[in-house]
Amino acid sequence: DTGVSQDPRHKITKRGQNVTFRCDPISEHNRLYWYRQTLGQGPEFLTYFQNEAQLEKSRLLSDRFSAERPKGSFSTLEIQRTEQGDSAMYLCASSFSGTGYYGYTFGSGTRLTVV
Amino acid sequence: AQRVTQPEKLLSVFKGAPVELKCNYSYSGSPELFWYVQYSRQRLQLLLRHISRESIKGFTADLNKGETSFHLKKPFAQEEDSAMYYCALIIQGAQKLVFGQGTRLTINP
Repeated sequence: DTGVSQDPRHKITKRGQNVTFRCDPISEHNRLYWYRQTLGQGPEFLTYFQNEAQLEKSRLLSDRFSAERPKGSFSTLEIQRTEQGDSAMYLCASSFSGTGYYGYTFGSGTRLTVV
Repeated sequence: AQRVTQPEKLLSVFKGAPVELKCNYSYSGSPELFWYVQYSRQRLQLLLRHISRESIKGFTADLNKGETSFHLKKPFAQEEDSAMYYCALIIQGAQKLVFGQGTRLTINP
C-alpha cells in the first residue's frame, strides 16, 4: 500500500463540463475526507465518510458537487457544470477511526483548472 | 466560529537563525492543534501535534490558551526547513480539520 492515491493529478476542463475525481485511501482506513485548496489558502473541508456513509458536508459543497463512497473503499467527487471558481486543488485524506484525527494521511491532490 | 489565523504569508530567515511561525486560533471548545508541512512537490504531512508535546525535526510548539496561540519554533533554522507550513485545529466530534492560510518559510543560505 503506497498511501492515499488520487486520480487524475491534473484536469483541465471547459466551463460547463462535468468532472469526476477518484480517491483510493489506505486500505485499512475507514474514514475518508475531501478538502479543497485554492491559491494562497489553506485546505478547506468539503465532506467526510465513515465507511460508505457520508456523515458531514460543508456548506461549500453546492448542489453541483456530489461525493460517493459506494463500498466503503474508494471515493469519487463529481462536479457538474463546472465554473471558473471551481478551479482549485482537491485533496483527499484518510484515517482509521481508532486512531482519531492523528492518523490523517493526505493524497497528492487533483488540480482542477476550469477554462 | 472556529478559525485559525497565520498572520505571515511569507517568512524568510537565514540558516542558523531562530524561526517562529505564528498561529492564533478561535475555538469555543477545548482545542486540539497541529502543524502540517508541505515540502516542495510533496504531499501535506503532519509535523507535530500539541497533545504529544514532542519535538520533530527540531521544531516545537506550545499551546497557550490564554493568548489562544500555537506558535511553531525552531532555534536554528536549516535549509531543508524551507516549506509551506499550516496550522490547524480539529473540530471535536466532527473529525474535520480547520486550517490556517499557511506560511511559506524560506531559509536563506
